[in-house]
Amino acid sequence: DIVMTQSPATLSLSPGERVTLSCRASQSVDSSYLSWFQQKPGQAPRLLIYGASTRATGIPARFSGSGSGTDFTLAISSLQPEDFAVYFCQHDENFVLTFGGGTRVEIK
Amino acid sequence: QLQLQESGPGLEKPSETLSLTCTVSGGSIGSTSYYWGWIRQPPGKGLEWIGSYSYSGHIHYSPSLKSRATISVDKSKNQFSLDLTSVTATDTAVYYCTRGGDGSGRFMGRLEYWGQGSLVTVSS
Repeated sequence: DIVMTQSPATLSLSPGERVTLSCRASQSVDSSYLSWFQQKPGQAPRLLIYGASTRATGIPARFSGSGSGTDFTLAISSLQPEDFAVYFCQHDENFVLTFGGGTRVEIK
Repeated sequence: QLQLQESGPGLEKPSETLSLTCTVSGGSIGSTSYYWGWIRQPPGKGLEWIGSYSYSGHIHYSPSLKSRATISVDKSKNQFSLDLTSVTATDTAVYYCTRGGDGSGRFMGRLEYWGQGSLVTVSS
């Protein structure tokens, strides 16, 4: 089974900073099936990125995704107050969905 | 605009069967090539996929929950349901229903639509 590992578990940053979040797969995966989600307290997750690098509908351009093989990155170019949240990566391998453990981006 | 809404008891006793229903509005379960599924999240923890119903009728389950989970669909009511048997305290979680896919039958994990979530507590 593929394991998705996210690091770090928590990031403490200030508004306006650039942030990069890491997601590593335990084996090489098809990037077409790699997604990123954002979750704010008390809310359902929201799809940010699919296919490793394509922004979902309505997602601001400050969010970008990249990577291939085993290493994937979600970047936020300039943190806005509404971006402080938990971020999850997810992969779909042969109709089995696996989520990473999440990275919390908190206000410093 | 597609909307999903979970419903069901908020409290289950250990060893009982947890049953949840997701009602879909703004779109038809039967008419498009999407995946209708369930995700859960224990309090303060991460996301766990339970299973997804495919437009083709196939149902895909998490290997770890396959023995206890059953997903069914009622197209006449535009609803799909989850039954999880023999629950324990570790099944306490917020349960989300989701729509996945790109409309062409691919990318089950592209979860663009989510319900608001339903907290189910397992306790005697």
